[in-house]
Amino acid sequence: IAGITQAPTSQILAAGRRMTLRCTQDMRHNAMYWYRQDLGLGLRLIHYSNTAGTTGKGEVPDGYSVSRANTDDFPLTLASAVPSQTSVYFCASSEGQSTSTQYFGPGTRLTVL
Amino acid sequence: GQSLEQPSEVTAVEGAIVQINCTYQTSGFYGLSWYQQHDGGAPTFLSYNALDGLEETGRFSSFLSRSDSYGYLLLQELQMKDSASYFCAVRSGYALNFGKGTSLLVTP
Repeated sequence: IAGITQAPTSQILAAGRRMTLRCTQDMRHNAMYWYRQDLGLGLRLIHYSNTAGTTGKGEVPDGYSVSRANTDDFPLTLASAVPSQTSVYFCASSEGQSTSTQYFGPGTRLTVL
Repeated sequence: GQSLEQPSEVTAVEGAIVQINCTYQTSGFYGLSWYQQHDGGAPTFLSYNALDGLEETGRFSSFLSRSDSYGYLLLQELQMKDSASYFCAVRSGYALNFGKGTSLLVTP
């Protein structure tokens, strides 16, 4: 592995189902982030983690939860998916919360029907 | 709160120079970053300005004026592969706040 990986690449999900998007990095970065990207709205922060064991809410956290049990993994869970959560989801990492260089994964394209 | 404004679309000819502007409103400014994103791809880091002035990296340069809350990304000797979306971003404490992006189309 080099950098950040995300899984799945794409997913079609029925409304009301639970879904976990996976994110793994091998750069030993302390900080990790989840963004969603919608046409015309740019990248919006969902949740972040400054270090293993801590998480925080971003701009659009409702309907999403995260955990950070270790440095490498930062899964994003949709407890009960709704169509408005149809989006492209990007995971990112940075060496620390104070660095402005973030490295992004390839993204997960999620469609909720 | 924070806000970033950048043009939604820019078109330029191959070989030309193009400037993408970004104005921002934020508290606790820590610097302005630029990211590039090709269709369907991951955003990739291009440059970062913490202080006023011009930073040059190959064909790309980025400028910041903190007093004007303004910056720009300058792309020289445009190539077809430069067609992409470009995002400015400001850091606020724990994370980056991104603009909505500028779609650059390079034509032959």
